[in-house]
Amino acid sequence: GAVVSQHPSWVICKSGTSVKIECRSLDFQATTMFWYRQFPKQSLMLMATSNEGSKATYEQGVEKDKFLINHASLTLSTLTVTSAHPEDSSFYICSARDNVWAWGSPLHFGNGTRLTVT
Amino acid sequence: LAKTTQPISMDSYEGQEVNITCSHNNIATNDYITWYQQFPSQGPRFIIQGYKTKVTNEVASLFIPADRKSSTLSLPRVSLSDTAVYYCLVAFYNTDKLIFGTGTRLQVFP
Repeated sequence: GAVVSQHPSWVICKSGTSVKIECRSLDFQATTMFWYRQFPKQSLMLMATSNEGSKATYEQGVEKDKFLINHASLTLSTLTVTSAHPEDSSFYICSARDNVWAWGSPLHFGNGTRLTVT
Repeated sequence: LAKTTQPISMDSYEGQEVNITCSHNNIATNDYITWYQQFPSQGPRFIIQGYKTKVTNEVASLFIPADRKSSTLSLPRVSLSDTAVYYCLVAFYNTDKLIFGTGTRLQVFP
């Protein structure tokens, strides 16, 4: 149980185009999902907290107009990288918290999306 | 938020016990600690979680001292397949932010 599916697993796009990454909780509902970015040999950095039905909360230094987050249902959050540039190339990972549990529930992670911008 | 720090890397041999420590000085009462394992190009995989004292499951133990300013993940008898990066994650209750530590790259040798 508690599977988080992330799609696509990898994507290559040209500079200036936009890319959408989907994060789905397959067997549970998640009001809250988190988006992380990970550069090679570095830790995961929290980009934003996505809440179903409301605006996402972005971490300091993360441009909300560049990284658009939509959490329209309890099982789906999307991250759109708009006007992508080579410096946006990274490993993007989503996670979700099961609504059933109160504070203290471990996060369930997707398998990540490798974005390469050429 | 205070930085959550870990040793950059550790080496071990098969069959040995490995202890990885995470420092989280600004942890508060309702914050909890989770440890994850990550292989290259994969998402983190849950290992163990705790608030205080000691927690044990089928793969690891987690030791948290009384002041909770650090935690130690203990892997009892590592194998080659345990070669991975290990992260502690602190969930901060007041801000609802879940912040990863710097990560420890564990290399297990035969």
